[in-house]
Amino acid sequence: DIQMTQSPSTLSASVGDRVTITCRASQSISSWLAWYQQKPGKAPKLLIYKASSLDSGVPSRFSGSGSGTQFTLTISSLQPDDFATYYCQQYNSYSTFGPGTKVDIK
Amino acid sequence: QITLKESGPTLVKPTQTLTLTCTFSGFSLSTSGVGVGWIRQPPGKALEWLALIYWDDDKRYSPSLKSRLTVTKDTSKNQVVLTMTNVDPVDTATYYCAHSFMVRGVIGWYFDLWGRGTLVTVSS
Repeated sequence: DIQMTQSPSTLSASVGDRVTITCRASQSISSWLAWYQQKPGKAPKLLIYKASSLDSGVPSRFSGSGSGTQFTLTISSLQPDDFATYYCQQYNSYSTFGPGTKVDIK
Repeated sequence: QITLKESGPTLVKPTQTLTLTCTFSGFSLSTSGVGVGWIRQPPGKALEWLALIYWDDDKRYSPSLKSRLTVTKDTSKNQVVLTMTNVDPVDTATYYCAHSFMVRGVIGWYFDLWGRGTLVTVSS
């Protein structure tokens, strides 16, 4: 099984900050990685697939990079609507989600 | 417009079988490449993928839960059903169904559209 880790587990930031979240896979997953945003009481929303491809309608302040075992999600200028929990997910082999990173208000 | 909606019991007793239904619209599960998956999330915890069924009736299960899960589809009703046997309080979670599709070159999948989820509590 492929295991996923994320860091940090919690991130405190202010509106306008540049935010970076890291996701690591226990073995190489090429670029088969997705990122989701989840707000309390809501379903996850797909942001990025194939490590760096932005899903339709997702603001361009979100970007993804990486390949192999290390990946990052970057929010270039944090907006009030971006305070949420972010999950990475590998789909190189079946599907495994990371433990999540909560972005809260500093 | 694609929509998915989960339905089923809100309370199940330990050792019983849980049956959840995903009713969807805006796509057909007879279209090549299309899949519907199930994911759950215990309160305050992370997401966990459970199962997925493809248009061609190919089924995939989480290795850790495979012995307890069954996923089926009814294409004419636009529904996918997940059954989980011998439930335990640790199975208390919000259960989501989500739209997916086959990705060329990998045996994995991501989910581009999700239902709102249904909270299932396992308690005596």
